[in-house]
Formats: sequence, C-alpha cells, structure tokens
Amino acid sequence: LAKTTQPISMDSYEGQEVNITCSHNNIATNDYITWYQQFPSQGPRFIIQGYKTKVTNEVASLFIPADRKSSTLSLPRVSLSDTAVYYCLVGTNTGNQFYFGTGTSLTVIP
Amino acid sequence: DVKVTQSSRYLVKRTGEKVFLECVQDMDHENMFWYRQDPGLGLRLIYFSYDVKMKEKGDIPEGYSVSREKKERFSLILESASTNQTSMYLCASRSTGGRSSTEAFFGQGTRLTVV
Repeated sequence: LAKTTQPISMDSYEGQEVNITCSHNNIATNDYITWYQQFPSQGPRFIIQGYKTKVTNEVASLFIPADRKSSTLSLPRVSLSDTAVYYCLVGTNTGNQFYFGTGTSLTVIP
Repeated sequence: DVKVTQSSRYLVKRTGEKVFLECVQDMDHENMFWYRQDPGLGLRLIYFSYDVKMKEKGDIPEGYSVSREKKERFSLILESASTNQTSMYLCASRSTGGRSSTEAFFGQGTRLTVV
C-alpha cells in the first residue's frame, strides 16, 4: 500500500485559496487518490477523488501531476467552516484496505 | 440518505469488562471498517471485513476482535477493556467498486472511556 505524507498543520486567512499537498511516491498503477475532510467529533466525509490531471467539484479541486507521485487539494476562498482535518488516501477502488494517516489540520483565521 | 449508525455516542466501561461496539449500514456495502482515533495519531485501522464472516486485521488489532454475521452489521469487541483503549471509535462502510469513485461513509463515532 502506498504511504502518504502530508503537512501536519496549516493556517490560512478567510477568503484565501488553500493548497494542501500530499506525497505518495510509491503509488501503484491502479491506485486512486482520495481526500476526506473531518470536523471535530464527526466521522470523515469524502471530498474528492482523482486518478490523473485535474478534478473539480463544488467543494474543491484536485491536481495530480503526470508522475502521480504527489497531489494537491485546492480549497478556493476558505471560510471559518473549512477548519477541519484533511486526509489524503491512496488505494484502489476495489481494495478493501483503507488506511488513513495523520492528516493535515487546517485552521482558518478570521 | 445513506447511513452508518453506531450504537452509542458515548460509553463508559470499567477495566476488564467485555465491550461491544455495534455498527449498522443500510447501503448493502461489502466492506466495513473499524478505526480508532487518538490525538496526534490520526485514524488507525483496527479490523476490516470484506464479506459476511470474513475479516482481516488492520494496523492495531491487538486487544480487539470483530464479528460480521450479517452483511449490514459489523461489531467490534473488546474482550477485556483496558484504560489504553479509551478512544474515539469510528465505523465505516464502502462498496467494492470498479473504476468509479467508491467513497466510504462513516458513522458518528463512539467515544469510549475505560475507567
């Protein structure tokens, strides 16, 4: 299973764009990259998933370079409610092992 | 609306007690997971199950066992609770998909305190 490395914490002011990068040097050909968000006292929830290039939804964008050894979650114009822990996961969609790491704790400052 | 329901939000148990944490999902998912979450350590996988009566160990299975007699229900068992098992426990379920996205759905968590 590919391990992931993320920054432990980040701070950002309201209204700024936030980019959180995840390293996954040992990503396999069949692996997807998935990001989850977790608020205090809640379970994580799915944000976005991609395989290569760029994926965008109503919440975030995910940028994946050609070598796929890293990925960047981009949150446009963050608000205080985006304060949460963000997890990057790498694995196949048919795999039944599903490992989280320590995640990145994002604090949005007024 | 999809749902993963954990039987208790808060639980206090005594050292040495046998503890059952129950999780039920209504999405007919094949895969179910139990994690514990501790400050600074993220989510750590305890056990997962990919089918009824099938289970595999995760990263930290010691002191725990699991049961999956029905597809929708996955139970985590602490055979003899200890204080170092005080933690937040999270259950999740996920389908076995193909190339399409297969997000995992989490329960609300059970905060277990062992005294």
